[in-house]
Amino acid sequence: QLQLQESGPGLVKPSETLSLTCTVSGDSFSSSGHYWAWIRQPPGKGPEWVGSVSHGGSTSYNPSLKSRVTISVDTSKRQFSLKLRSVTAADTAIYSCARTVGGLVNWFDPWGQGTLVTVSS
Amino acid sequence: DIQLTQSPSTLSASVGDRVTITCRASQNIYSWLAWYQQKPGKAPELLIYKASSLASGVPSRFSGSGSGTEFTLTISSLQPDDFATYFCQQFISYPLTFGGGTRVEI
Repeated sequence: QLQLQESGPGLVKPSETLSLTCTVSGDSFSSSGHYWAWIRQPPGKGPEWVGSVSHGGSTSYNPSLKSRVTISVDTSKRQFSLKLRSVTAADTAIYSCARTVGGLVNWFDPWGQGTLVTVSS
Repeated sequence: DIQLTQSPSTLSASVGDRVTITCRASQNIYSWLAWYQQKPGKAPELLIYKASSLASGVPSRFSGSGSGTEFTLTISSLQPDDFATYFCQQFISYPLTFGGGTRVEI
């Protein structure tokens, strides 16, 4: 059974870079057709798609974050990573990783449990 | 961006009740909609994809319907395990967007 687990600092200072990693276990990471996504959910709000990456490294980002986001993949480690630069308090959220089933534009299944990242000095 | 509006934002119900949650899209998304359940401190779980297809392992009391701009998630007989937050997601175009969520409480 495919499982995803986020890891990274829970506290980031304003103007710094948020860095998170998602480790995938239990299934083939390089199965063709799937994409790997980052999704965030600010406190009390609905989720927001941040961006996605394929096992080959192709990326797509939410235009609202595109200037600050980089998502990369390391297939040898079965991991993909998120970097969000120049963070502010508005970037405080639960960040989750997920698989986009069968393509770049599709539903998400499964999700990781999520990790709370707080932006504060 | 396609906006998804869920209603109600909070729903109070009892075990055994029939519950309906609505998701309205700002433009036609055909049947490209998914529903998720999220419990506190846990990962969201896929319930429904393509508006009405039940995800693997999801109880049959959950059903989805609709197309175009209006969609519903129905729980035919609410169980104690169903008290959670539900949200919808469109996957017809970028950026992928979600509804604001509906909290189902006792």
